[in-house]
Amino acid sequence: NAGVTQTPKFQVLKTGQSMTLQCAQDMNHNSMYWYRQDPGMGLRLIYYSASEGTTDKGEVPNGYNVSRLNKREFSLRLESAAPSQTSVYFCASSEAGSRGEEYGYTFGSGTRLTVV
Amino acid sequence: GENVEQHPSTLSVQEGDSAVIKCTYSDSASNYFPWYKQELGKRPQLIIDIRSNVGEKKDQRIAVTLNKTAKHFSLHITETQPEDSAVYFCAASNTLTGGSQGNLIFGKGTKLSVKP
Repeated sequence: NAGVTQTPKFQVLKTGQSMTLQCAQDMNHNSMYWYRQDPGMGLRLIYYSASEGTTDKGEVPNGYNVSRLNKREFSLRLESAAPSQTSVYFCASSEAGSRGEEYGYTFGSGTRLTVV
Repeated sequence: GENVEQHPSTLSVQEGDSAVIKCTYSDSASNYFPWYKQELGKRPQLIIDIRSNVGEKKDQRIAVTLNKTAKHFSLHITETQPEDSAVYFCAASNTLTGGSQGNLIFGKGTKLSVKP
């Protein structure tokens, strides 16, 4: 049981290049999320997907796009990378119970992205 | 929307002492409050959570208290050990509401250092 798997773990991009961060979960969770983590800023939500077939913007969506490919996979794309997108990116998934109780997020191991 | 404030940003204690981290939230409808521990270079991991129908929850050396009237909740670590050194994040969400209000909003984190 791998939980949440992210690839790649490290990436260096030149300004203007594009790339896709991959995320897959094997826990049959409905909800998936992409966060970025910057020093002193905590975890900020980029995009989320409450269920297969739906995606919505979070707190900091500019410069990113997402695809919920199926229930397992949720990818994050940078179309034209900028130095301000240098960050650690975390994918997460969660499941809520039938009465709305939350069971907490499970995070992937992160992708450390540097844009030069 | 929800806003979570976390204090202090850094905390240094001697091994064996207690550590307390405090968070306040703005949305009175929030009903789920998890705490995550992130060791250096690792992913955030859920260590304890509390729901709004409970005032306190304990798990061995860690405990969380919730004051709904004052809209604040705290993490208490007793008998601290060097392996407790990490960044701790609090978060809040309203799990009974769909859409963005159901997403976790994180505090900016507290770096805890436990000195041997």
